[in-house]
Amino acid sequence: AQSVTQLDSQVPVFEEAPVELRCNYSSSVSVYLFWYVQYPNQGLQLLLKYLSGSTLVESINGFEAEFNKSQTSFHLRKPSVHISDTAEYFCAVSDVGSGTYKYIFGTGTRLKVLA
Amino acid sequence: DGGITQSPKYLFRKEGQNVTLSCEQNLNHDAMYWYRQDPGQGLRLIYYSQIVNDFQKGDIAEGYSVSREKKESFPLTVTSAQKNPTAFYLCASSRRDSNSPLHFGNGTRLTVT
Repeated sequence: AQSVTQLDSQVPVFEEAPVELRCNYSSSVSVYLFWYVQYPNQGLQLLLKYLSGSTLVESINGFEAEFNKSQTSFHLRKPSVHISDTAEYFCAVSDVGSGTYKYIFGTGTRLKVLA
Repeated sequence: DGGITQSPKYLFRKEGQNVTLSCEQNLNHDAMYWYRQDPGQGLRLIYYSQIVNDFQKGDIAEGYSVSREKKESFPLTVTSAQKNPTAFYLCASSRRDSNSPLHFGNGTRLTVT
């Protein structure tokens, strides 16, 4: 069965420092991969996605994630974080061509950027 | 602007009462979903619908019911049979492709006392 693991429940980091949020998945088939961000008392917003092609994908606000098939990972990185990046981040997968339109989410990583 | 509207944002109910959470979208998406979010547990799928008048149980459907009479609307009823209904509920929609990302509403926080 599919599963998504986000090992770090909380990640504190100082402003302007780099950060990596880890995501590993298990699946016996090809997958699509997503990162979502959630600010307090709001819904989730898509941050970036990997569908095919280049394994490095970028968002408009400086985040990037790299799909590593051999390690079944899709870690999220940012070279320099801002206070405004404080939020909860969720990794999600869906099976390619599964026909069920089901998405499996990780348990989330709470990023806290410190001044 | 297209989007998903969930109402109300906060909802309080007494134990033993059924309550219905509203979800409306104007994105022309075929698929709609209800998730429950609890601290430290991520998002768990309650029900999903791929097309009007059809829906499937997710991983934690017990104590919940849904309907999909219109493409735009996917209301969720939390019944008195749900043992622990206090949670943050999120509605989402997408195209009917497994590569289509989910679009989320801003959620309804339900408190049952």
